[in-house]
Amino acid sequence: DVKVTQSSRYLVKRTGEKVFLECVQDMDHENMFWYRQDPGLGLRLIYFSYDVKMKEKGDIPEGYSVSREKKERFSLILESASTNQTSMYLCASNPGGGFANEQFFGPGTRLTVL
Amino acid sequence: KNQVEQSPQSLIILEGKNCTLQCNYTVSPFSNLRWYKQDTGRGPVSLTIMTFSENTKSNGRYTATLDADTKQSSLHITASQLSDSASYICVVSAAGGSYIPTFGRGTSLIVHP
Repeated sequence: DVKVTQSSRYLVKRTGEKVFLECVQDMDHENMFWYRQDPGLGLRLIYFSYDVKMKEKGDIPEGYSVSREKKERFSLILESASTNQTSMYLCASNPGGGFANEQFFGPGTRLTVL
Repeated sequence: KNQVEQSPQSLIILEGKNCTLQCNYTVSPFSNLRWYKQDTGRGPVSLTIMTFSENTKSNGRYTATLDADTKQSSLHITASQLSDSASYICVVSAAGGSYIPTFGRGTSLIVHP
């Protein structure tokens, strides 16, 4: 079974803090993705990565950065957290083929920025 | 602009009843349409994928249909169970593999005993 794990299920941070969300997959997948999910808006893509040290912007990259130093790990960074970044963050991976193939999602991190 | 619209936004049914969820899209050129199920507090899990040439595909009590001409898909759930309570998300991908797919906002289904 594919397993995608995220470092925290719940996280509470203060405005202005630097926040790291970690995601690890154990199936040697090429592609990894970060989404945020908000009520009424659905899933929106923040960043994705096709390979180590490679990153591409998604639909809403502003205020975020990412890091992929190892194939199995994809980190989402909020350089200076703001209240409008309070959301559910979901990480996903797939073996390749871009977005056409099934994505395997982690359980999500619910981030609250006060 | 590519769009995916799902209806209804929410649905409440009694255990054992059937229901149908709708997904209309404007994504072009079409590659595939995928239905995901997302249980509360969990990430989405793929239920089924539909390609251009497929009209119907089943996965247990879940049956997806696709009408590529009218750009509509439906997800039919037969003999609902309490465990079917979840959000169902329709995702449509454009041809090319490199295009970011378009996500619907989901239908929230609640199954009552």
